[in-house]
Amino acid sequence: GQSLEQPSEVTAVEGAIVQINCTYQTSGFYGLSWYQQHDGGAPTFLSYNALDGLEETGRFSSFLSRSDSYGYLLLQELQMKDSASYFCAVRDEDTDKLIFGTGTRLQVFP
Amino acid sequence: GAVVSQHPSRVICKSGTSVKIECRSLDFQATTMFWYRQFPKQSLMLMATSNEGSKATYEQGVEKDKFLINHASLTLSTLTVTSAHPEDSSFYICSARDSGGAQETQYFGPGTRLLVL
Repeated sequence: GQSLEQPSEVTAVEGAIVQINCTYQTSGFYGLSWYQQHDGGAPTFLSYNALDGLEETGRFSSFLSRSDSYGYLLLQELQMKDSASYFCAVRDEDTDKLIFGTGTRLQVFP
Repeated sequence: GAVVSQHPSRVICKSGTSVKIECRSLDFQATTMFWYRQFPKQSLMLMATSNEGSKATYEQGVEKDKFLINHASLTLSTLTVTSAHPEDSSFYICSARDSGGAQETQYFGPGTRLLVL
């Protein structure tokens, strides 16, 4: 099975940089994805790492290290609207199911 | 981008009644749809995988007789919560894979908030 752990909560101020970590124990997966979810809303796709290394998409970057069973989402130039929950997720190789991490609630303060 | 819709967005029902939630892929075909449940301040937990034209596969601990899933067409899956009880109150989110899309092309519906009184 898949198990993905994240810090439960992170706080930061506007303009700062924050890193949300995701450590996992998996039996095999295609890649690591990141989703953002605002309160009461649906998850929206942010980033995907199929291979080790850094993927950059605007203010957001995501990193994966399969050898360390670790990944992170880096958010730069934080804005108030970035306050949301962030989930890492993997697609299981055997079942093709998308399994979510425990989630991190990010609060951005002025 | 592709859109997945859910209906209703919010429902309040009495204990013991059944509630049907619809999930539609609006501009793509989805042979597979997924149903998730999310309790407040928790992660999304996969309930079942809905396969077009065949039976759904349920995750361990999810009662298939309580959560009936029907995937009758390539654009519609329904989840029926039968004999709902207050503990079934949750946020239910469906998700669909674009059959013709890339590996990671999975889209989420806006969710249905169910409150059972």
